[in-house]
Amino acid sequence: GENVEQHPSTLSVQEGDSAVIKCTYSDSASNYFPWYKQELGKGPQLIIDIRSNVGEKKDQRIAVTLNKTAKHFSLHITETQPEDSAVYFCAASKTNVGNEKLTFGTGTRLTIIP
Amino acid sequence: EAGVAQSPRYKIIEKRQSVAFWCNPISGHATLYWYQQILGQGPKLLIQFQNNGVVDDSQLPKDRFSAERLKGVDSTLKIQPAKLEDSAVYLCASSSGLAEQETQYFGPGTRLLVL
Repeated sequence: GENVEQHPSTLSVQEGDSAVIKCTYSDSASNYFPWYKQELGKGPQLIIDIRSNVGEKKDQRIAVTLNKTAKHFSLHITETQPEDSAVYFCAASKTNVGNEKLTFGTGTRLTIIP
Repeated sequence: EAGVAQSPRYKIIEKRQSVAFWCNPISGHATLYWYQQILGQGPKLLIQFQNNGVVDDSQLPKDRFSAERLKGVDSTLKIQPAKLEDSAVYLCASSSGLAEQETQYFGPGTRLLVL
């Protein structure tokens, strides 16, 4: 089955700096890659996703890049703010209708230092 | 649009007891998922329903875990008997089940502690 590895496990950055989290996946058939943010005591919340027919996607301060050949994708957060502090999870799946099983990475605890 | 609802939010039980969790997905969502999230790890899929049919339960410990989705809407997940290693957050998620609408929306989770 699919295996998703995520690095680093913890990341501390100064407020205003950029943060980058990287994931690799094993199944070349995976074609959907969402990123989730999980705050303490809450369920994961989708922040951005990318499909395999796109190399990069951006939404304000958040961007995701995908390298299908190398089977890795990355989350980039620019101009970090204290409210960006949370645990971030990457995931991968093969999106046939009714078969959108997500395999998650192990998470990155991001801390923004004021 | 109301989100995914789960109850209870917290549960403490002793080992060998039974427990049940309830999930109400986003209205109209055909696909419902139950995940187990152990502290410090990513969510792991336990079972996936498409309407009221099971799509994937390969990771569900069927000797102690069971789940059902009544009438293709609400769902319950049961553990009987519970073990210490079942201590985790149980997350319910739902998606529309339509092509190109893969986004899974998660509920707040039920935090289970088995003593």
